[in-house]
Amino acid sequence: AQSVTQLDSQVPVFEEAPVELRCNYSSSVSVYLFWYVQYPNQGLQLLLKYLSGSTLVKGINGFEAEFNKSQTSFHLRKPSVHISDTAEYFCAVSVTGFQKLVFGTGTRLLVSP
Amino acid sequence: DSGVTQTPKHLITATGQRVTLRCSPRSGDLSVYWYQQSLDQGLQFLIQYYNGEERAKGNILERFSAQQFPDLHSELNLSSLELGDSALYFCASSVATGETQYFGPGTRLLVL
Repeated sequence: AQSVTQLDSQVPVFEEAPVELRCNYSSSVSVYLFWYVQYPNQGLQLLLKYLSGSTLVKGINGFEAEFNKSQTSFHLRKPSVHISDTAEYFCAVSVTGFQKLVFGTGTRLLVSP
Repeated sequence: DSGVTQTPKHLITATGQRVTLRCSPRSGDLSVYWYQQSLDQGLQFLIQYYNGEERAKGNILERFSAQQFPDLHSELNLSSLELGDSALYFCASSVATGETQYFGPGTRLLVL
């Protein structure tokens, strides 16, 4: 079975600073990896996904993530955050495309002025 | 706006009761997924339907059931409700299995 670990439950950061949200996964087979964002009182929105090919994936809103197979990681990064990036971020894994997503526990990004 | 609609937005009910949550997928999407988000369990996949047929099952309790109708909308039925069923229930849809899942705004269920 697959699992996802998001070690940081909360990450406080100042506006315009860079941020990295960590995600590690566990799987005995090849995986697809995703980052979703959940703004307050809203559903989940796909930020980016890794299916195959280039290990550096660019997503929406200036976010990017790098797939590292040897470290089984898929960390999310943004070089300069905005107040509007304050949200909950979920890393997810699937081994059958998008059929069944297994989510991490989420990381709350708190951006302050 | 993802194009996925869910009704109702909020639902308050009592233990032992039964409720039905409704989801309308994006236009053209054949696959519907249900997820439960709770404080203690996090985000969990419940069940998936594709064009009316059940395709995948996750951590869905026997007290819960779902179906997808010919017009592709889906309903999640929760019965014999317990306090622990209080959660946010999300529906997502995709064109087909293996494609990007688009999430609805969720239905917040409170069982008293």
